[in-house]
Amino acid sequence: DAKTTQPPSMDCAEGRAANLPCNHSTISGNEYVYWYRQIHSQGPQYIIHGLKNNETNEMASLIITEDRKSSTLILPHATLRDTAVYYCIAPSLIQGAQKLVFGQGTRLTINP
Amino acid sequence: ETGVTQTPRHLVMGMTNKKSLKCEQHLGHNAMYWYKQSAKKPLELMFVYNFKEQTENNSVPSRFSPECPNSSHLFLHLHTLQPEDSALYLCASSQRGGLGTEAFFGQGTRLTVV
Repeated sequence: DAKTTQPPSMDCAEGRAANLPCNHSTISGNEYVYWYRQIHSQGPQYIIHGLKNNETNEMASLIITEDRKSSTLILPHATLRDTAVYYCIAPSLIQGAQKLVFGQGTRLTINP
Repeated sequence: ETGVTQTPRHLVMGMTNKKSLKCEQHLGHNAMYWYKQSAKKPLELMFVYNFKEQTENNSVPSRFSPECPNSSHLFLHLHTLQPEDSALYLCASSQRGGLGTEAFFGQGTRLTVV
C-alpha cells in the first residue's frame, strides 16, 4: 500500500467546514485514495474515494492535487455526529481483492 | 446497516474455550476480510479471502483459524486464546475486480478473554 500521512488530531466548530489533509507522495498511478471513518467502537464507514478527479457525494468532497501526492477530505457543514477517526488509505490489490491497511488516522472532534 | 452482519456482538470466553465468530453478507461481494482492533490501536488486517480462497495471512497466530465456506460467509475459529487477544474483531467485504470499489464493514464482535 502507498503510505499515507495524516495529522493525529483536529478540531472543528459545528456548522463549519472540516478540511482533513492527507499526504500520499508514494501513490502509484492506479491506486485510488479512499476515506473511511470510525465512530467510537463501531465498524469503519466508507465515505468517498477518487483517482484523479475531485469527487463529491452526499457525505463529503474529495480534492486531489494534480500530482496526486496529497488530498483533502471536506465535510462541508460539520455536525457533532461527525466526531470520529478519519482514515485516508491508498489500497493495493492482492489477487484482485483490495488490501486495506489502516494507519492511525485523524481524530476529528466537532465542538458545539 | 451496512449489509455485513457479525455475530455475536459480544463474547466472553475462557482461555481453554473454543468459540467461533461469524460474518455474513448478501451484497454479492466475493472478497471478505478479518480485522482486529485492540484498544486505542488502528485496525490490523488479519486475513483476506477471495472467492473462498485465502490470499493473505498477516502473520496471525494459529490459535486464530479462519474458514470461508462460500463467498457470503466467513468464520473465525478461536481456541486457547490469551487475554491480550481481547479486542474488537471486524469483518468486511468488497467486490473483487479492481481498486475502485469500497469495502463494507460489520459492527464487530467485542471479544473478552478471561
